[in-house]
Amino acid sequence: DSGVTQTPKHLITATGQRVTLRCSPRSGDLSVYWYQQSLDQGLQFLIQYYNGEERAKGNILERFSAQQFPDLHSELNLSSLELGDSALYFCASSVVGTGLGEQFFGPGTRLTVL
Amino acid sequence: GESVGLHLPTLSVQEGDNSIINCAYSNSASDYFIWYKQESGKGPQFIIDIRSNMDKRQGQRVTVLLNKTVKHLSLQIAATQPGDSAVYFCAENTFNDMRFGAGTRLTVKP
Repeated sequence: DSGVTQTPKHLITATGQRVTLRCSPRSGDLSVYWYQQSLDQGLQFLIQYYNGEERAKGNILERFSAQQFPDLHSELNLSSLELGDSALYFCASSVVGTGLGEQFFGPGTRLTVL
Repeated sequence: GESVGLHLPTLSVQEGDNSIINCAYSNSASDYFIWYKQESGKGPQFIIDIRSNMDKRQGQRVTVLLNKTVKHLSLQIAATQPGDSAVYFCAENTFNDMRFGAGTRLTVKP
């Protein structure tokens, strides 16, 4: 158990819909990272927040957005969902804000868009 | 949860043998590299990291080698055990942008 929690574990929805994925980092970690893992593209970095502020941005679509709240939990919002958004979404946390060092991954949310 | 594409490289080794998993990275400006292990149904797990000013770093039963000349990274696992069976992938970090390799599936035969 990494100490990072993600909810829900599974999510099934339809095209055009909007969903919110939630992540609680390990106690004491200030950074939260979001990743997408699909069968055809592997693991891709989406976005990082550090202590409530956006720190780094990867291959995140404009339809996707994230935020980190004062209690440090984070939410990833996915809107206007397409079939290709079906994937595993992982959250990771770390103490530092640089992207360096060990990141602890949660168990992931499996999103299926029908 | 597997970082598999349709043609994920595989490596099959006998229990007790040493394993070497290779990774070619893309950006010569990358300054930090990580190896991850991902077991079926789980999130990636950090194994070992190395900065670009180093050629080699050792952990417990694992060694990472970095060859910046040819942009190549390798992970050596000593005395491979059945619990090492998983997908292994490397990641390169450039200015806080992390990019991941597709991964190699390691299977350990008892």
